[in-house]
Amino acid sequence: NAGVTQTPKFQVLKTGQSMTLQCAQDMNHEYMSWYRQDPGMGLRLIHYSVGAGITDQGEVPNGYNVSRSTTEDFPLRLLSAAPSQTSVYFCASSRGVWNTEAFFGQGTRLTVV
Amino acid sequence: DQQVKQNSPSLSVQEGRISILNCDYTNSMFDYFLWYKKYPAEGPTFLISISSIKDKNEDGRFTVFLNKSAKHLSLHIVPSQPGDSAVYFCAADNAGNNRKLIWGLGTSLAVNP
Repeated sequence: NAGVTQTPKFQVLKTGQSMTLQCAQDMNHEYMSWYRQDPGMGLRLIHYSVGAGITDQGEVPNGYNVSRSTTEDFPLRLLSAAPSQTSVYFCASSRGVWNTEAFFGQGTRLTVV
Repeated sequence: DQQVKQNSPSLSVQEGRISILNCDYTNSMFDYFLWYKKYPAEGPTFLISISSIKDKNEDGRFTVFLNKSAKHLSLHIVPSQPGDSAVYFCAADNAGNNRKLIWGLGTSLAVNP
């Protein structure tokens, strides 16, 4: 079982460039989310989706866009990369909305120079 | 303003002894709590959870205790093994907040042989 797959694992971007972080899950989970992890900040929710066609903002949505055209995929787009977006990004999925464990991808380490 | 606090950034224990990781929270609306374990260069993996209607949940070597009046929970690992060496995150779920988990900053556990 693949679980949650994130690509790429590493990426270096120049300020102002755009890119898409890919996330796919094969567990037929309705709920998917994107987090970023920064030193001393823990995991912070960027965007989430409760099902195909439905997305909403988390704690730190500025500078990021998401879409959910299928149950399996939940890409995260950086519109114009900034050094403040240097972080490790995690995608997660879970079976339901309430009180269920989330499965995480391995993460994408992004550096913006 | 940290709503979920893990006040010990690190903990070191001997193999075979008990590891106790602590977590405090401030929001009385939190009604479900989860512990995740994270190895370097991997995503967090779910470990154990507890509902606010319980005060204890046990799964093999892992037990989580919840003290609602003190807004405190703890994770006990008995006996500790070197493979338990990882960062442990406490997360809290507010059922009225559409599954937006609030995460602590993590405690790095080192289990020494």
